[in-house]
Order: sequence, then structure tokens, then C-alpha cells
Amino acid sequence: DTGVSQNPRHKITKRGQNVTFRCDPISEHNRLYWYRQTLGQGPEFLTYFQNEAQLEKSRLLSDRFSAERPKGSFSTLEIQRTEQGDSAMYLCASSLGSGTGSNQPQHFGDGTRLSIL
Amino acid sequence: DAKTTQPNSMESNEEEPVHLPCNHSTISGTDYIHWYRQLPSQGPEYVIHGLTSNVNNRMASLAIAEDRKSSTLILHRATLRDAAVYYCILRADSWGKLQFGAGTQVVVTP
Repeated sequence: DTGVSQNPRHKITKRGQNVTFRCDPISEHNRLYWYRQTLGQGPEFLTYFQNEAQLEKSRLLSDRFSAERPKGSFSTLEIQRTEQGDSAMYLCASSLGSGTGSNQPQHFGDGTRLSIL
Repeated sequence: DAKTTQPNSMESNEEEPVHLPCNHSTISGTDYIHWYRQLPSQGPEYVIHGLTSNVNNRMASLAIAEDRKSSTLILHRATLRDAAVYYCILRADSWGKLQFGAGTQVVVTP
């Protein structure tokens, strides 16, 4: 399968612990996005990379959250000192970048479900 | 950013067409209309997009009103696998982030 891959699929941790998720995009895609989805809601945008550069961050991304894409390939999303409200599905998507990018569909992984005890 | 309005849910019988409406009265001239769907326990999946003209692909058709203030996603023959949440999204941001609403839950009955 050459789609977007996310690991782990599920993560259960205690409040206050740090967690890290990984996303492997489709290999030729230079744009990578992170979203968060809570139950019954649509996904919410968190941040976006063009190659290794992080170009936009949502106000939802507090200082406990950090995302990296060190070589412009895979990306990691770390949450420090997790809180109950961080429980959600974390989705990664990738796309080709060309022109304004508005036409390029995003391809999503199946997400990492985070549960905070 | 321009917003979209969709019904919360719609029900269809298997093998019948489904017409999913979306209102976007504040759409700007450069906004593309995108549709994604999300099956249970999966990430969203791209369905179709368009600007002004109607569009067809293997998954669905997109009919766009002449004034572009509304659009309709058409699934020609619903199958049980089409049961999902369908999101209508206007894409104005040049970096391409998607702003999802609550979407329409489509239920397909055999």
C-alpha cells in the first residue's frame, strides 16, 4: 500500500505523559498536514509543512504541541504533558504542491487515536 | 473564510441515487468546492472538486449552481459502502488547508 501511513494506530497514556506520533506521507508529496478530530466533529487543521518548512500553525496548536518534518519526508507530532482534552484522533494528510495548491486533493491516513487516562 | 451549510443526515435506499446539497452563499470567485467523505474508523477520502462547471468522476458527480451559491454532490447508485459522512468544503487558502464542518451523515439501507 503506498498511501499515507500513521503510527501508532492507537495510543493510551496517562495524563501528564508525553506522546509522539509519526506520519509517512505518499513519497512524492511535498505538502504534509496535521489535523485533529474529536467525536462527532469534522477534522480541525493543526499545522502544515511544505517540504521541511512549517508554514502555518493553527491557534489550536498550543505550546505543548510540536511538529517536525526534518528531511521533508516523514513527520512527527509530539504532545508534551498531555491533558484530558487532548484525547482525539490525530490525522495526517499529504498532497502534491503546485501553483496555489488549491486544486490538489489531500490524501489522508487512518489516524492515531489518542486516549488520555 | 466562506462557510458551507449541509443537512445533518440523509437516508437512501441501496442502488438509488443520492443528492447531497451544500449551500455556500458567501463563496468568493476563487473558491473551489471540494467534497470529501469519511467512512467509519477511517481518514477522510477525496471525492471530487470543481470551480464553475459540473464535474464527473468515477465516484460521483458535482453539480454547481450558476451563481455558485450552492452545489450538489450526486452519488448515482448508492451502495452500502457509500454510508459515510460527506463534507462540502470551500478551499480558498493558497496553502490548501481544509476547513471541515460537521458534514452530512449518509445512511444507506438495503
